[in-house]
Amino acid sequence: NAGVTQTPKFRILKIGQSMTLQCTQDMNHNYMYWYRQDPGMGLKLIYYSVGAGITDKGEVPNGYNVSRSTTEDFPLRLELAAPSQTSVYFCATRDSNQPQHFGDGTRLSIL
Amino acid sequence: RKEVEQDPGPFNVPEGATVAFNCTYSNSASQSFFWYRQDCRKEPKLLMSVYSSGNEDGRFTAQLNRASQYISLLIRDSKLSDSATYLCVTQNNNNDMRFGAGTRLTVKP
Repeated sequence: NAGVTQTPKFRILKIGQSMTLQCTQDMNHNYMYWYRQDPGMGLKLIYYSVGAGITDKGEVPNGYNVSRSTTEDFPLRLELAAPSQTSVYFCATRDSNQPQHFGDGTRLSIL
Repeated sequence: RKEVEQDPGPFNVPEGATVAFNCTYSNSASQSFFWYRQDCRKEPKLLMSVYSSGNEDGRFTAQLNRASQYISLLIRDSKLSDSATYLCVTQNNNNDMRFGAGTRLTVKP
């Protein structure tokens, strides 16, 4: 089992560019999450999903979009990259009443 | 006020020392509690869940005080490999998890 797979691991974007961060899981978990973590700070929830076809905003959703067309995939889209979105992005999944399991993260720099 | 508050540290302790971290949470609807550890430039990994009766896993002991909305983690006989950031995490019955900013521990020889 691969668990939670995030791609890419690193990316540098120019201001105004768009990109999609991919997250795939093979554990058949219903719940999936996207977090960002700024240096020296805790994780902040961007969006989450409780199952295919259902998504909800977290604490810091502005500037991001998500979709959940399948149980396995939960991509995070940045439409107009801004320097404030420079961060490390973590995808996580979990089963009902279980703690979260995280992917390796995507390090994104916007210059 | 942050929903989950932790002392950021850093805690610098010698090998073999006992160290304790505290965490307070503000949401009384929180139902589940966890400690995660995060190594530098890595993803958070579950260390242990925290149960109302307190629980122990080897050198690690977690305690929960619901009345005071307080969680603790005790590490005995610290190892160099325990050096990491420890994240306190709460979860409410809407499946909403909130992470503390973490407490940094460095164990020195």
